[in-house]
Amino acid sequence: RKEVEQDPGPFNVPEGATVAFNCTYSNSASQSFFWYRQDCRKEPKLLMSVYSSGNEDGRFTAQLNRASQYISLLIRDSKLSDSATYLCVVNGNNAGKSTFGDGTTLTVKP
Amino acid sequence: NAGVTQTPKFQVLKTGQSMTLQCAQDMNHNSMYWYRQDPGMGLRLIYYSASEGTTDKGEVPNGYNVSRLNKREFSLRLESAAPSQTSVYFCASTAVGYGYTFGSGTRLTVV
Repeated sequence: RKEVEQDPGPFNVPEGATVAFNCTYSNSASQSFFWYRQDCRKEPKLLMSVYSSGNEDGRFTAQLNRASQYISLLIRDSKLSDSATYLCVVNGNNAGKSTFGDGTTLTVKP
Repeated sequence: NAGVTQTPKFQVLKTGQSMTLQCAQDMNHNSMYWYRQDPGMGLRLIYYSASEGTTDKGEVPNGYNVSRLNKREFSLRLESAAPSQTSVYFCASTAVGYGYTFGSGTRLTVV
């Protein structure tokens, strides 16, 4: 079993739709969690951190469920520009060493 | 702008040639990393340096060596390039508990 698992998709949704991705992790001692966005042939860029209390940034909401060991990303009112691959990242308790999921691909269509 | 700078951006090597990929960050981060990403695949960790003076193997270290030259710089060397090393290479840096900042990548083709 991989340490971090994501549904690879692709998720194909129309503009304006709401879409949610989950990411499960195996190390219960993991301390910090992030969502990254990666556009085709570009470097991953930090989208948002994930806090125990959940956090929201505009149309994006991230949540953490420690009991079930997963994090989620909700995108509301999808835009064409949201089309990308979304990576979840989990920090282990080794200093500074994270584990990346393989990513979920989202395509938003007109 | 602050960030991670990688050079070169593109490189074509012949099988057996050697080269060094350079990476520098100006965010005073302790930890630095080298990843490779093959087409349609996830990131795979090659080597990392948790702090200046230390380096450790990641998931796919074979065929590579690294040097943490100082706190800012972390280089990746291919001693004898092979076609299987054709990939996009990303350098990244972070502080514990914070997200990664990635460089823009080096697209390497080995023929």
